[in-house]
Amino acid sequence: SQKIEQNSEALNIQEGKTATLTCNYTNYSPAYLQWYRQDPGRGPVFLLLIRENEKEKRKERLKVTFDTTLKQSLFHITASQPADSATYLCALARVGGYNKLIFGAGTRLAVHP
Amino acid sequence: DTGVSQDPRHKITKRGQNVTFRCDPISEHNRLYWYRQTLGQGPEFLTYFQNEAQLEKSRLLSDRFSAERPKGSFSTLEIQRTEQGDSAMYLCASSFPPPGTEAFFGQGTRLTVV
Repeated sequence: SQKIEQNSEALNIQEGKTATLTCNYTNYSPAYLQWYRQDPGRGPVFLLLIRENEKEKRKERLKVTFDTTLKQSLFHITASQPADSATYLCALARVGGYNKLIFGAGTRLAVHP
Repeated sequence: DTGVSQDPRHKITKRGQNVTFRCDPISEHNRLYWYRQTLGQGPEFLTYFQNEAQLEKSRLLSDRFSAERPKGSFSTLEIQRTEQGDSAMYLCASSFPPPGTEAFFGQGTRLTVV
């Protein structure tokens, strides 16, 4: 069956360091992969999308890589700030799947001053 | 337009009662999705509408669940004869027609069945 795995344990880092979150998937051939941020009690907010034919995408302090051979995406936040503390969700979608998203369980990031 | 709106934000109901949630998507979006999220898990897909047509329903959506999107605007999700296992956050999302890929989520409706 299709499976998406994200680090289940919370990631604790110091302010100013780079946070790296991992998303691994099996039995799936995504057309694209998305990362969302979710704060407690709120809906997810879109951050970045990377397509199957792309290796890397950047947006301000965010960087996403996508390795379809390893079936893995890495999500980096550089120069992290306490305001970056949240749960980050990885989501996959298929070609022609009308953007139906399959989510991982998310990784909670805590950035300490 | 301030984004996807869901109502109510919180609902506490007794087991066996029926509940209905409403979602108002962003007006230019013809695609609308319902997801369910339990504590510590990511959102799980429930159903998808393109305009007023319901094109896919997850196996998670038992016969007690029904969703509608009359006239392709707002949507409702009804749960009949609620069970404690229905307690979750119900999220609505919408997106632009293709090639739109970003999903815009509402704040969700937190359902507690007691």
